[in-house]
Amino acid sequence: EADIYQTPRYLVIGTGKKITLECSQTMGHDKMYWYQQDPGMELHLIHYSYGVNSTEKGDLSSESTVSRIRTEHFPLTLESARPSHTSQYLCASSAWRGEQFFGPGTRLTVL
Amino acid sequence: KNQVEQSPQSLIILEGKNCTLQCNYTVSPFSNLRWYKQDTGRGPVSLTIMTFSENTKSNGRYTATLDADTKQSSLHITASQLSDSASYICVVSAWTYSSYDKVIFGPGTSLSVIP
Repeated sequence: EADIYQTPRYLVIGTGKKITLECSQTMGHDKMYWYQQDPGMELHLIHYSYGVNSTEKGDLSSESTVSRIRTEHFPLTLESARPSHTSQYLCASSAWRGEQFFGPGTRLTVL
Repeated sequence: KNQVEQSPQSLIILEGKNCTLQCNYTVSPFSNLRWYKQDTGRGPVSLTIMTFSENTKSNGRYTATLDADTKQSSLHITASQLSDSASYICVVSAWTYSSYDKVIFGPGTSLSVIP
């Protein structure tokens, strides 16, 4: 089983709140990713990182931001949550051109 | 345009039966193809990976095939179990000159195995 963790698993918050979704991996992978997935739909890449201090936007535009201060940690932040941000957020990591290992996901609901 | 298509969109089968899921892709230049299994509310887990030179790969009751000429792959599940109920995602990677492979996810096939 992959050593990649996400917290919280479920989050229900009100509009306008600032939230941070945590993602950590213990595999020493340089590359980390954030995906957004609506129920029954495909994954969309919203952010990725090649390593410390490297972050890039993915294929799907997102109002969230990410940071990579430590290799093992890749948090995602929403400054002001809106109902349109309701979705499942999946974090993943990989080695050089390797398999992506996914975390269990955070299911976010914004009221 | 790099694209991955899967069929059927959803499938219901009886426990113990076999089934085959299809994946067609237009990704170039091709690097590898993976099949992932995603249980409801969980992250995807890799089942198999195939490179250009491989045309079949097994993982227990799961057997994936790849035809690089026609750009098609299939995932065959033998003697299905209730725990096979999940979404199966075909993921194709394209070579790039950077350190990052371009990864394209298919929409997935939702499989339901019923008793």
